[in-house]
Amino acid sequence: KAGVTQTPRYLIKTRGQQVTLSCSPISGHRSVSWYQQTPGQGLQFLFEYFSETQRNKGNFPGRFSGRQFSNSRSEMNVSTLELGDSALYLCASSLLSVSTDTQYFGPGTRLTVL
Amino acid sequence: GQQLNQSPQSMFIQEGEDVSMNCTSSSIFNTWLWYKQDPGEGPVLLIALYKAGELTSNGRLTAQFGITRKDSFLNISASIPSDVGIYFCAGRSPAYGGSQGNLIFGKGTKLSVKP
Repeated sequence: KAGVTQTPRYLIKTRGQQVTLSCSPISGHRSVSWYQQTPGQGLQFLFEYFSETQRNKGNFPGRFSGRQFSNSRSEMNVSTLELGDSALYLCASSLLSVSTDTQYFGPGTRLTVL
Repeated sequence: GQQLNQSPQSMFIQEGEDVSMNCTSSSIFNTWLWYKQDPGEGPVLLIALYKAGELTSNGRLTAQFGITRKDSFLNISASIPSDVGIYFCAGRSPAYGGSQGNLIFGKGTKLSVKP
């Protein structure tokens, strides 16, 4: 079974731009969660999507948004990028729910904001 | 908000040594997970614990779910060079009321080889 895939793996943007990251979950998994990882804050939960609906949300500003498609693939968007948005963005998939099921992570997208 | 204290932050190992790390929380969790992350990769699940007092092994790794439900421990026996990396604990709070049982991660324990 293929694992979680994320594209692109690396991205460089400038302040004020917007960016879209993509995640394909493990086949059969319907829950997709997004995390931001930085050296200072560690791993922080952004949001969870299930059946094309945002089911759960962390404490991030509205500039961070996402969506999920009918095939469970998910995208995350960050608008008006700030320097502090530089981070590794991780996607994780689970069978049905981040609240009950084991999560499997993708390799991440390294975003650098200049 | 909920926080996990993971210690130690970093440690140096010599091949063959046993390693211990732990996570503590001020609130209870109903699940504890341990992940390992290699440079440039996402975290890989090592062990999942679902019941207070549970002791689970995965090869040379052993993890325990604390009886108080506020802590968990990970031990690595007879370490080898490929054990180097960052180990994260994660706790899942009970889902009740408006809470959705989010995963909270510790800041990680970085394992390096002694020079």
